Amino acid sequence: RKEVEQDPGPFNVPEGATVAFNCTYSNSASQSFFWYRQDCRKEPKLLMSVYSSGNEDGRFTAQLNRASQYISLLIRDSKLSDSATYLCVVNGKAAGNKLTFGGGTRVLVKP
Amino acid sequence: GAVVSQHPSWVICKSGTSVKIECRSLDFQATTMFWYRQFPKQSLMLMATSNEGSKATYEQGVEKDKFLINHASLTLSTLTVTSAHPEDSSFYICSASGGPRTYNEQFFGPGTRLTVL
Repeated sequence: RKEVEQDPGPFNVPEGATVAFNCTYSNSASQSFFWYRQDCRKEPKLLMSVYSSGNEDGRFTAQLNRASQYISLLIRDSKLSDSATYLCVVNGKAAGNKLTFGGGTRVLVKP
Repeated sequence: GAVVSQHPSWVICKSGTSVKIECRSLDFQATTMFWYRQFPKQSLMLMATSNEGSKATYEQGVEKDKFLINHASLTLSTLTVTSAHPEDSSFYICSASGGPRTYNEQFFGPGTRLTVL
């Protein structure tokens, strides 16, 4: 089983709609959780950290469910520019600030 | 955020040659740098963790003699792909963290696309 699993998509989303997707992680000792965004042929960029109580950043809302070991990302009022691959990232090991990346969920926002 | 650069941004080489990729933290001192590899339609896979002044720690399955990592200063780490072969063609990305300014967040370089003919 992969340490971090995501639905690869693509999620085809009409502009202005809401889209949500999850990520599951296998290591119950994971401490930190993040969503990164990666555009085609570019490096990943931090979208937001995910906090235990859930957090919101503009149109983006992230939730963490430790009991079920998943995190979620919700995008409201989708923009064309939101089209990207969203990477779920977990610090999967106890030492060294290592990050473990999920395979990514591809989101395509269409007019 | 902190800035990390990589050079070159892309490289094409012949099979059997060695390629060096540089990763620099431009405005902070990176005590730790990470090297990742990403094949098409796959996720980033950590290859090795590099701490300044010490030997890199390689992930399982990554050949340390093939992927030479040097982290000689707090702002520079290099990855050398020795005797590159077509199966080494990939997107190599570094990240850097360290120091109070980065709060242990990893900042990614723009990546280097390696194509081995």
